[in-house]
Amino acid sequence: SSELTQDPAVSVALGQTVRITCQGDSLRSYYASWYQQKPGQAPVLVIYGKNNRPSGIPDRFSGSSSGNTASLTITGAQAEDEADYYCNSRDSSGNHLFGGGTKLTVL
Amino acid sequence: QLQLQESGPGLVKPSETLSLTCTVSGGSISSSSYYWGWIRQPPGKGLEWIGSIYYSGSTYYNPSLKSRVTISVDTSKNQFSLKLSSVTAADTAVYYCARRARDGMDVWGQGTTVTVSS
Repeated sequence: SSELTQDPAVSVALGQTVRITCQGDSLRSYYASWYQQKPGQAPVLVIYGKNNRPSGIPDRFSGSSSGNTASLTITGAQAEDEADYYCNSRDSSGNHLFGGGTKLTVL
Repeated sequence: QLQLQESGPGLVKPSETLSLTCTVSGGSISSSSYYWGWIRQPPGKGLEWIGSIYYSGSTYYNPSLKSRVTISVDTSKNQFSLKLSSVTAADTAVYYCARRARDGMDVWGQGTTVTVSS
């Protein structure tokens, strides 16, 4: 069955670089998109496609992919980046699925 | 600026049907570039994709919910809707509607909380 696997929690020191990963067979064929969600708020798209940022997303956010793994990298993490991050992709049937989410703590 | 707004009952009884509507403003639901979808998030848990619809009525559903879900579109009202039948407490969640472009869900509603309880 299709599924996307993320580490439940990751931490990073203020100003350092952190990589959040997402693994799944569907990622061999389709790009992941990444969403940031802060408590009590709706998710926000931060990366889509090969490595694209919607307007208003800081350039410290970037995306990459290799094999069955997609990654979201935050270069120079800020306090406001502390949030839950979810990957999303599709399968060959056109269905979408989310990873379980990664809670990012900025120390 | 495109906005999405969910509406519907906040409390549904077990075994009944949950019905929500998403109203699209600031743009047309009939755009050929987008799908329109529903996503939910149980309390303290992650996001779950429910399904998507194209303005023509073409749909995709999460296989785990497919037997209970119907998503429909009303282009005259610029709305799309979700019906989830035979609900249980496990369906208690914040329900979001979102616009899906080719590579990502780029506009989200604020979400609406639905509680299943007698």
